[in-house]
Amino acid sequence: GEDVEQSLFLSVREGDSSVINCTYTDSSSTYLYWYKQEPGAGLQLLTYIFSNMDMKQDQRLTVLLNKKDKHLSLRIADTQTGDSAIYFCAETSGSARQLTFGSGTQLTVLP
Amino acid sequence: NAGVTQTPKFRILKIGQSMTLQCTQDMNHNYMYWYRQDPGMGLKLIYYSVGAGITDKGEVPNGYNVSRSTTEDFPLRLELAAPSQTSVYFCAGAPTENTEAFFGQGTRLTVV
Repeated sequence: GEDVEQSLFLSVREGDSSVINCTYTDSSSTYLYWYKQEPGAGLQLLTYIFSNMDMKQDQRLTVLLNKKDKHLSLRIADTQTGDSAIYFCAETSGSARQLTFGSGTQLTVLP
Repeated sequence: NAGVTQTPKFRILKIGQSMTLQCTQDMNHNYMYWYRQDPGMGLKLIYYSVGAGITDKGEVPNGYNVSRSTTEDFPLRLELAAPSQTSVYFCAGAPTENTEAFFGQGTRLTVV
């Protein structure tokens, strides 16, 4: 079945760049998503990329997509303490194109 | 618009009890989903619906039931609660497939 994998933890210093990586399996996914979850809250869409794109930039966020390797990454420039959260990569799959999520990467920003 | 609203936010159930987790949306979304999130895991799809009157099983449907009598409401029913159902439950809605899903704030359920 479909599977999305991410590393579980990442720590960076405030002001540095963060790079969160993800691999996915469903090559027919039309969109790939990055969601952010703050403690005790639901998931908030950060950004997404269409499968025919290699890169998408949105202010401090850069998404890179390598379709050949089924690899997706999220780069956060000038990481701030407010960026500390869990970041989920997700692909669309199945008959209802429902989201299949990775296990999430806990990003900790150190002062 | 309130978006996607889930109630209750927290609940403790005893083994064997039943309950319904409520989810309602005012965004006229056709697609609605129920996920569960276990610690250190991603979200797993329990059930989904592509429109009123239509529901289908996701990855982990055992022990749950859903109904979709209206576009707005998508309740999740637990008939005989088990400790393995201790989790955080998220409801989500999307206007169509392949579009952004909007999530509720979650229901934290503990079965003791």
